Amino acid sequence: QQKVQQSPESLSVPEGGMASFNCTSSDRNFQYFWWYRQHSGEGPKALMSIFSDGDKKEGRFTAHLNKASLHVSLHIRDSQPSDSALYFCAASDFGEVIFGKGTHLHVLP
Amino acid sequence: EAGVTQSPRYAVLQEGQAVSFWCDPISGHDTLYWYQQPRDQGPQLLVYFRDEAVIDNSQLPSDRFSAVRPKGTNSTLKIQSAKQGDTATYLCASSFGGHSNERLFFGHGTKLSVL
Repeated sequence: QQKVQQSPESLSVPEGGMASFNCTSSDRNFQYFWWYRQHSGEGPKALMSIFSDGDKKEGRFTAHLNKASLHVSLHIRDSQPSDSALYFCAASDFGEVIFGKGTHLHVLP
Repeated sequence: EAGVTQSPRYAVLQEGQAVSFWCDPISGHDTLYWYQQPRDQGPQLLVYFRDEAVIDNSQLPSDRFSAVRPKGTNSTLKIQSAKQGDTATYLCASSFGGHSNERLFFGHGTKLSVL
């Protein structure tokens, strides 16, 4: 079983809209989360981390973590065409870092 | 600050050939990771090091894959006898503070095609 599960696989939103991604860890040892973004032909780049229950906001990006259920979400408001990319949730256990399969985001002009 | 450097950018092999990938992490980063990323999928951890020590290589196909980081800086990942199923992008990443949950910095990756 994949330790980090993401949904949806693909998402299309209009420019200026809200994009939302979901992620769940099935291993309670992996409870520290990062979100990464990968544009075509590049390596993934970290967007933001969330380690505590509740919301964390950085600019247009908001992450939410529920530690009891090990569920984390990422929301992008005012989506731009440059946000079109592959988004990964990563869960870590003090060294080992496991990635989900990713969500393809398409922002339509 | 220089990022993570990987070479080569691309490699095309016939089945059975060998190939090596090289990674130069960010200076001062003690932890180095190798991931395999099949097309349109998430990175899958192969092996990671803290300084020169292998911390976890349980996902490395040990009969054909090997990885070293002899001085705790640069690292080499080698595939001894490539198979078509090895076609993927191989990503190297580094971080500082292997006992924390710091972000990973990735290189551009090496895109491998095995024909």
